[in-house]
Amino acid sequence: DAMVIQNPRYQVTQFGKPVTLSCSQTLNHNVMYWYQQKSSQAPKLLFHYYDKDFNNEADTPDNFQSRRPNTSFCFLDIRSPGLGDAAMYLCATSWASLAAGGSYNEQFFGPGTRLTVL
Amino acid sequence: RKEVEQDPGPFNVPEGATVAFNCTYSNSASQSFFWYRQDCRKEPKLLMSVYSSGNEDGRFTAQLNRASQYISLLIRDSKLSDSATYLCVVNGMGNAGNNRKLIWGLGTSLAVNP
Repeated sequence: DAMVIQNPRYQVTQFGKPVTLSCSQTLNHNVMYWYQQKSSQAPKLLFHYYDKDFNNEADTPDNFQSRRPNTSFCFLDIRSPGLGDAAMYLCATSWASLAAGGSYNEQFFGPGTRLTVL
Repeated sequence: RKEVEQDPGPFNVPEGATVAFNCTYSNSASQSFFWYRQDCRKEPKLLMSVYSSGNEDGRFTAQLNRASQYISLLIRDSKLSDSATYLCVVNGMGNAGNNRKLIWGLGTSLAVNP
């Protein structure tokens, strides 16, 4: 089945120790997103890739970086995790077009990586 | 005004009840609307896209009112398994980058009780 896969499902890191979360997809979608979600809050978009075009959100801290080496994979790097970065990190994909008027389709989510910072 | 607003609830209803959620959005140019469902400690999952003409999927009915800029979700004959958070989602508008983004409501919590 086509899907969005995230690894690991649970990640424990120490304060200040870099961590990388991975996402892969078999949907062949051209857009990949990273969200941060804390308890009882809506998902917060960190950034997204349209193909290789990186789109950062204005309020995403520099501590968060991303890489998309190919269509199928996208990584979230947290350079120096703080206690406030403990959250669920969700990867999502969608198909979007730049045709006149654009077309926008729903996003499909991976199961998430729950990050704990000690 | 928030871009997407929902009543956070919680809504506590008995099995078999009908429950309705409303959501308002601020950008009149928005074109795509969705309801997502999220179970505790799980990822959001698409429940329904919302079309201008309204759409129904089994016990679930979604409506869009563009003039008033609100979206509704009606759940009939509630089941215990419907207990979850329901998130109203609208696509961002503006430049191409914003078109690819979703604007999320904070979600409405539903608890269906036996």
